[in-house]
Amino acid sequence: DGGITQSPKYLFRKEGQNVTLSCEQNLNHDAMYWYRQDPGQGLRLIYYSQIVNDFQKGDIAEGYSVSREKKESFPLTVTSAQKNPTAFYLCASSIDGQPGGEAFFGQGTRLTVV
Amino acid sequence: AQKITQTQPGMFVQEKEAVTLDCTYDTSDQSYGLFWYKQPSSGEMIFLIYQGSYDEQNATEGRYSLNFQKARKSANLVISASQLGDSAMYFCAMRGRDAGGTSYGKLTFGQGTILTVHP
Repeated sequence: DGGITQSPKYLFRKEGQNVTLSCEQNLNHDAMYWYRQDPGQGLRLIYYSQIVNDFQKGDIAEGYSVSREKKESFPLTVTSAQKNPTAFYLCASSIDGQPGGEAFFGQGTRLTVV
Repeated sequence: AQKITQTQPGMFVQEKEAVTLDCTYDTSDQSYGLFWYKQPSSGEMIFLIYQGSYDEQNATEGRYSLNFQKARKSANLVISASQLGDSAMYFCAMRGRDAGGTSYGKLTFGQGTILTVHP
């Protein structure tokens, strides 16, 4: 079945550590996104990528980094520079180049700093 | 810059009644897409409905319809015959052109509305 897979589902991080969240899709989509969601809040865009080896900052990119070496994969690294990383992280993908085409989401990763 | 505003933090509706969730957007572009998503307590994001800015008819998908008023820049979601399973967070989203004006990359979400359906 086609879809988006995020792993792990739950992640615990010690302060000062970098952690990497995985996102893989087999939908052959060009565009991929990372969002952060805090409890009871909306989705805020961290980074997005429309093509391999290229990505753009979203609204809250500070303290995060991404790579897009393969079309299928868009990992997100939460660095120690992110002062409040505890949140729910959602990865999505969509066709690109036009206004339409809904985004398909993964199941999310819940990150907690301990 | 594009912006989505959902002014209703929470809404309540009786089972089998209709409910309207508000969404306004801001963009200077003429070509854009509007989406609604449902997020149950499990956290998954479920696509509900899409409206293109050039679509003349309001989009409908089963019990969901989108009341698109382009001049007012509003894209309200109407859920008819509410069911208990409709209780969830609902998000409005928009895809417009990037700052460079050449592609439709950025997908922006509103703050969401929590809908509670009472029996």
